[in-house]
Amino acid sequence: EAQLEESGGGSVQPGGSLRLSCATSGFTFSSYAMGWVRQAPGKGLEWISTISGTGGDTYYADSVKGRFTISRDNSKNTLYLQMNSLRAEDTSVYFCARAYALRFFDWVDWGQGTLVSV
Amino acid sequence: QSALTQPASVSGSPGQSITISCTGTSSDVGAYDYVSWYQQHPGKAPKFIIYDVNKRPSGVSNRFSGSKSGNTASLTISGLQAEDEADYFCTSYTSSTTGIFGSGTKVTVL
Repeated sequence: EAQLEESGGGSVQPGGSLRLSCATSGFTFSSYAMGWVRQAPGKGLEWISTISGTGGDTYYADSVKGRFTISRDNSKNTLYLQMNSLRAEDTSVYFCARAYALRFFDWVDWGQGTLVSV
Repeated sequence: QSALTQPASVSGSPGQSITISCTGTSSDVGAYDYVSWYQQHPGKAPKFIIYDVNKRPSGVSNRFSGSKSGNTASLTISGLQAEDEADYFCTSYTSSTTGIFGSGTKVTVL
């Protein structure tokens, strides 16, 4: 069974930075694309980024492009999200997710989320 | 890019069928058969229930079904049960090589 656990959330001032981590187990990490999806309090889901299994391809929503960087360490089975120039509108619960099969935008396994308050 | 449009709420009685719509554009829902649906209970992570418009991942009840016509996709829940009370989100691949979610629909079982 896949396990995903986010960490690194917290409170930060506007303009500040945070780095989220997502530790995984229970599946062959390097075989799957991974991503981040966020949810503002009481609001809907927003896809923000995807990274391929090798890390060679990355995709971003316009709302975070140029400010956030997704990366992964396949030797540590861990996904990261570096968030810079944070804004109030970035306040959300951030979920990491494993892509379904060979997909890049369908999410079959999710962490429980970590709250980022800006 | 704005979220896909879903009704804010849909309700039904136990045993009934309900349908949730998800309207996009010719650059997302209308362009690809890559529409998926998620169920989210309060305080929980989303659950993947439909992909490629009408396919169910292993273990998902066959009471959930999907369809698409033009720029609008739909999720139907048949034989409504109390446990189906949750928020439902559609999502689609887009021509910009991104993903976009719907605005979400709260399903209430009366």
